[in-house]
Amino acid sequence: QQQVKQSPQSLIVQKGGISIINCAYENTAFDYFPWYQQFPGKGPALLIAIRPDVSEKKEGRFTISFNKSAKQFSLHIMDSQPGDSATYFCAASMRTGTASKLTFGTGTRLQVTL
Amino acid sequence: DAGVIQSPRHEVTEMGQEVTLRCKPISGHDYLFWYRQTMMRGLELLIYFNNNVPIDDSGMPEDRFSAKMPNASFSTLKIQPSEPRDSAVYFCASSSWTGMGTGELFFGEGSRLTVL
Repeated sequence: QQQVKQSPQSLIVQKGGISIINCAYENTAFDYFPWYQQFPGKGPALLIAIRPDVSEKKEGRFTISFNKSAKQFSLHIMDSQPGDSATYFCAASMRTGTASKLTFGTGTRLQVTL
Repeated sequence: DAGVIQSPRHEVTEMGQEVTLRCKPISGHDYLFWYRQTMMRGLELLIYFNNNVPIDDSGMPEDRFSAKMPNASFSTLKIQPSEPRDSAVYFCASSSWTGMGTGELFFGEGSRLTVL
């Protein structure tokens, strides 16, 4: 059961361009939406996260846009750099008892070319 | 802090053998998660612990998989007997309670398992 759908599966962007990755969720109980970045041979690492009470969050070149009514959120990478080449995962979680279970999207492999 | 430490980094074994993966979480973290990553299914949550107690093991694929956390600094994921379809990268992650749910997950570098 795929609760978080992510697209595209892969993305090639030229250096300096904008990378956009989209995610959609079904469960309206989700209340935390992080993005993780994974380099080859490494574990995922938190990049940026948002809660549904705001529509946008920006950290440097990375921005999350959140549309609660459409149940969609996206990651925008401005001025994309070759060092941004990695796999990006969106995720969503909701509190269940005393903890939050994090459900990941299937990932987007980003390649930034020179 | 050394981060989450997993061992072995790579494991190649034959079908039917027992496999044990190990994880040392970040000191002070009270949540520990085991994930499996494959090309087909992405990152799947297998099980997670809170204060060494298993909370949710609904992601464990079948009885061949078991996980333990005997103390706050050590966890194991065991597969017995292993099958080729278990080939994947297994990640351990830890986090601490933030008052609004588990916070940032800190992942180890993973254990790449190949079952021949």
